Amino acid sequence: DTAVSQTPKYLVTQMGNDKSIKCEQNLGHDTMYWYKQDSKKFLKIMFSYNNKELIINETVPNRFSPKSPDKAHLNLHINSLELGDSAVYFCASSQEGSLGSGNIQYFGAGTRLSVL
Amino acid sequence: AQKITQTQPGMFVQEKEAVTLDCTYDTSDPSYGLFWYKQPSSGEMIFLIYQGSYDQQNATEGRYSLNFQKARKSANLVISASQLGDSAMYFCAMTGAGGGNKLTFGTGTQLKVEL
Repeated sequence: DTAVSQTPKYLVTQMGNDKSIKCEQNLGHDTMYWYKQDSKKFLKIMFSYNNKELIINETVPNRFSPKSPDKAHLNLHINSLELGDSAVYFCASSQEGSLGSGNIQYFGAGTRLSVL
Repeated sequence: AQKITQTQPGMFVQEKEAVTLDCTYDTSDPSYGLFWYKQPSSGEMIFLIYQGSYDQQNATEGRYSLNFQKARKSANLVISASQLGDSAMYFCAMTGAGGGNKLTFGTGTQLKVEL
């Protein structure tokens, strides 16, 4: 069973469209995250939720809106897609949101978004 | 603010040899965690090893060990007995007490294992 699963794996869309990426974890973790990996492979945090509550919101355009219906799911909705949004988006989860070995983050396989 | 520096964009190693991937960090947090992740060409991010800042011993996980030198602020990854399947991008990352558990990543090191 996949621990952190994201769908879709690939997403190709036109500029201006709205799209969503779904993430689910079956590890029983309390905290979930979204990271963006750019074309140079640099990874940066976007959002973090702990038990459905937003705890990290980095400088991300408000076209990006995370939604956590329950602690096992964290979806990412993107409005009015732009060329610069093309990247790989990773979902991750950890047991807890504080320091210690319990905060090891396990990643999904990533969603490669291409905006044309 | 936290910062991770990986100064080796690419490394080559012969199969069965050991290799060290360098990582230095900077933080003002007294308590932090250090991580290494592997990203093969297939794209997934695989957790390898974790070291807490107050851990007395260096972390080990199978062929992976983390050479933690707190005074030097370094957290190098050592891979012993390299295998062809170790060819991948390797990322060093850290979390800090003040960061809400967000991972701050380095720019990565592309490792190629040769026959």
